[in-house]
Amino acid sequence: AQSVTQPDIHITVSEGASLELRCNYSYGATPYLFWYVQSPGQGLQLLLKYFSGDTLVQGIKGFEAEFKRSQSSFNLRKPSVHWSDAAEYFCAVGGGSNYKLTFGKGTLLTVNP
Amino acid sequence: GAGVSQSPSNKVTEKGKDVELRCDPISGHTALYWYRQSLGQGLEFLIYFQGNSAPDKSGLPSDRFSAERTGGSVSTLTIQRTQQEDSAVYLCASSLADYTNYGYTFGSGTRLTVV
Repeated sequence: AQSVTQPDIHITVSEGASLELRCNYSYGATPYLFWYVQSPGQGLQLLLKYFSGDTLVQGIKGFEAEFKRSQSSFNLRKPSVHWSDAAEYFCAVGGGSNYKLTFGKGTLLTVNP
Repeated sequence: GAGVSQSPSNKVTEKGKDVELRCDPISGHTALYWYRQSLGQGLEFLIYFQGNSAPDKSGLPSDRFSAERTGGSVSTLTIQRTQQEDSAVYLCASSLADYTNYGYTFGSGTRLTVV
């Protein structure tokens, strides 16, 4: 069965600091990996995705993520956080003909001025 | 439409009442998904529709939950005899048949509160 673990429930960073949100997955084949962001009262917005090829993927809002097969990880990074990045971030895994994405429990990001 | 539309955005209901939640997917998206988001629990898969195929109902938590999709477009999630543990945000998403290019597009959700 596929699963996603986001080890950090809540992270607080200062504006301008770098950010890394962790995601570990379990999937029996080549995974499709996603990061979504959810602002309060909103639906989920796709930040970036990985299917194949270059293991470092770029997304919207200056985010990037690196797929590391050996570590079953897909960590999200941003070099300099802005106050508007405060939100909840979800990692998800799916693959191939499996249309059902499995989501992690999310990481809540707080940005201090 | 331009995005996935869900209604109502908020619903407060009394325990034991039935509720209907509506989802209007993006035009041309053949796949439609319902997820439930409970506090601190992430997103829980409920049901999946793809074209005219039989839906995957494997995530529905009990027989009080049902969903239908009419004409391959609008979907309604019905919860009968609501319980307090049904309180959550119900998210609908749609995608092209092959979601791998663009992932899912989510609606803003319906926040259900059972009192």
